[in-house]
Amino acid sequence: QLQLQESGPGLVKPSETLSLTCTVSGGSISSSSYYWGWIRQPPGKGLEWIGSIYYSGSTYYNPSLKSRVTISVDTSKNQFSLKLSSVTAADTAVYYCASNAMTYRYFDLWGRGTLVTVSS
Amino acid sequence: EIVLTQSPGTLSLSPGERATLSCRASQSVSSSYLAWYQQKPGQAPRLLIYGASSRATGIPDRFSGSGSGTDFTLTISRLEPEDFAVYYCQQYGSSTGITFGQGTRLEIK
Repeated sequence: QLQLQESGPGLVKPSETLSLTCTVSGGSISSSSYYWGWIRQPPGKGLEWIGSIYYSGSTYYNPSLKSRVTISVDTSKNQFSLKLSSVTAADTAVYYCASNAMTYRYFDLWGRGTLVTVSS
Repeated sequence: EIVLTQSPGTLSLSPGERATLSCRASQSVSSSYLAWYQQKPGQAPRLLIYGASSRATGIPDRFSGSGSGTDFTLTISRLEPEDFAVYYCQQYGSSTGITFGQGTRLEIK
């Protein structure tokens, strides 16, 4: 069955760029049924959607983060990636990747999440 | 941006009781684009309800969703011990993107 797994550095310095990759297994990222999304959750706080991408490369982003976010897709590797620039301590969070249903835009399958800490 | 406000912030109930969780939107949301999630400590969220009232695969029928416009409700008919968790609502709007509510913590009384 479909599984998602986040990977990337657990520690990023302030002002640098956070980079994460989500690997999709058990299915194709080129499915017409899904966007693929990133969501984050600061420690002890709620969920914040970052953005989503379709296999064609079409994206939509959270307006509050749009200026710092780039999401890309690599269909040959069945992966999609997140880059968040100019990070601060406020970007410290567990970052999740998830499948984002095309029809109703819910997130029905999530990765386990990866904690990224922004600190010098 | 559409803001989702969940109430109460914390709900204290006993197993076997009925839980009613509210999600209110700052402007009208299409029912098709309203979802509910359950999150337990150290775990990723789990989809419970989509399209305001459709249960996701494998979700017990004690979970139900209802509502339209700006007011949506998640009801758990008879609480089981494993239902005590944090619950989030989520909406999608074509011009505003995706937002989540701040969550309701359901705790054992």
